[in-house]
Amino acid sequence: ETGVTQTPRHLVMGMTNKKSLKCEQHLGHNAMYWYKQSAKKPLELMFVYNFKEQTENNSVPSRFSPECPNSSHLFLHLHTLQPEDSALYLCASNQIIAGATDTQYFGPGTRLTVL
Amino acid sequence: KNQVEQSPQSLIILEGKNCTLQCNYTVSPFSNLRWYKQDTGRGPVSLTIMTFSENTKSNGRYTATLDADTKQSSLHITASQLSDSASYICVVSPTYSGGYQKVTFGTGTKLQVIP
Repeated sequence: ETGVTQTPRHLVMGMTNKKSLKCEQHLGHNAMYWYKQSAKKPLELMFVYNFKEQTENNSVPSRFSPECPNSSHLFLHLHTLQPEDSALYLCASNQIIAGATDTQYFGPGTRLTVL
Repeated sequence: KNQVEQSPQSLIILEGKNCTLQCNYTVSPFSNLRWYKQDTGRGPVSLTIMTFSENTKSNGRYTATLDADTKQSSLHITASQLSDSASYICVVSPTYSGGYQKVTFGTGTKLQVIP
């Protein structure tokens, strides 16, 4: 295990539902990320939190709402999603250090299906 | 625009055979390049990392090479095993300039090792 956990592992929801994805890192890192992975496309960065502050919002629709209550936990709140939002949602963490880009450690992902 | 292209898109090889995956990038200025392995339904796991000055890096049966002049990298897998079946993702980081570094992901090569 990489020290990054995600729940749930699988989620099926209707377009009118509200659900949340949870990520927890046990590595003492100061940065956490949400990525979307769709078939045959590169990982798409959605959000970045550095020291609990959101430093990147990669033009993500407002139906995705992140929350980072502390440096170890990250949530992705979902509401009124569309079928094209079905994908694997990956959480990652790393240590942002002056002068270096540290390796990101990924969680196992949440497979989301929107009906 | 920073891009990372990988080839082939998919590959099937017999168990015990060797194979080489390719990665071409246009990220500039360049800092480092990582190869990740992603098992089906799991998050990516880092295999190797190479900086500008490194030409080759090994991790067991995995050997990565880097030519920073031509902006090409390869991942060579020796004596393949069934457990090598996965997607292999090339990830390139730009030179650090403070704060969060936006890395560029390739689309991955899906490798299937058959008995």
